[in-house]
Amino acid sequence: AQSVTQLGSHVSVSEGALVLLRCNYSSSVPPYLFWYVQYPNQGLQLLLKYTSAATLVKGINGFEAEFKKSETSFHLTKPSAHMSDAAEYFCAVSVSGTYKYIFGTGTRLKVLA
Amino acid sequence: GAGVSQTPSNKVTEKGKYVELRCDPISGHTALYWYRQSLGQGPEFLIYFQGTGAADDSGLPNDRFFAVRPEGSVSTLKIQRTERGDSAVYLCASSPGSGNTGELFFGEGSRLTVL
Repeated sequence: AQSVTQLGSHVSVSEGALVLLRCNYSSSVPPYLFWYVQYPNQGLQLLLKYTSAATLVKGINGFEAEFKKSETSFHLTKPSAHMSDAAEYFCAVSVSGTYKYIFGTGTRLKVLA
Repeated sequence: GAGVSQTPSNKVTEKGKYVELRCDPISGHTALYWYRQSLGQGPEFLIYFQGTGAADDSGLPNDRFFAVRPEGSVSTLKIQRTERGDSAVYLCASSPGSGNTGELFFGEGSRLTVL
């Protein structure tokens, strides 16, 4: 069965510092991986997705993620945090041929001034 | 254009009551999904529609939960004899078609509180 693990339910960074949100997946077949963001009082929106093309994926708002098969990871990074990045971030996996997205438990990012 | 719309945004009900939650997907999207997000958890799959039919309802927790999409657009999630454990945010999402490589477009959710 497919699963996703997000390490750290809460992460705090200073404004301008590197953002690193961790996601590890489990899948017996090549996965499709996603990062979604949920701002306060808003629906989830797609940040970026990996669908077996380039392993380094660039998304919106300066975020990117790298698919590392050997580490079964898909960590989300941003070089310089902005106050507007404060939100909850969800990693998700789906398996080729299915439409069930398995979400992680989420990481709440706090950006300190 | 309009995004996915969910009503009500908040619903408080008493244990044992019947509840309906509505989802209006993005116009033209044939695929519609319901997820449930409990406190401190990620969204959990409930049911998936392709057009009017429920292609997969394996995520519905029990027979108190039912969903319909009679005309292939608006969907209603129905919960009978609500229990306190049903309290959660119910999320609706839509996408242009089937398949797993595309983006899901989520509504803001309906927060259900069962007293």
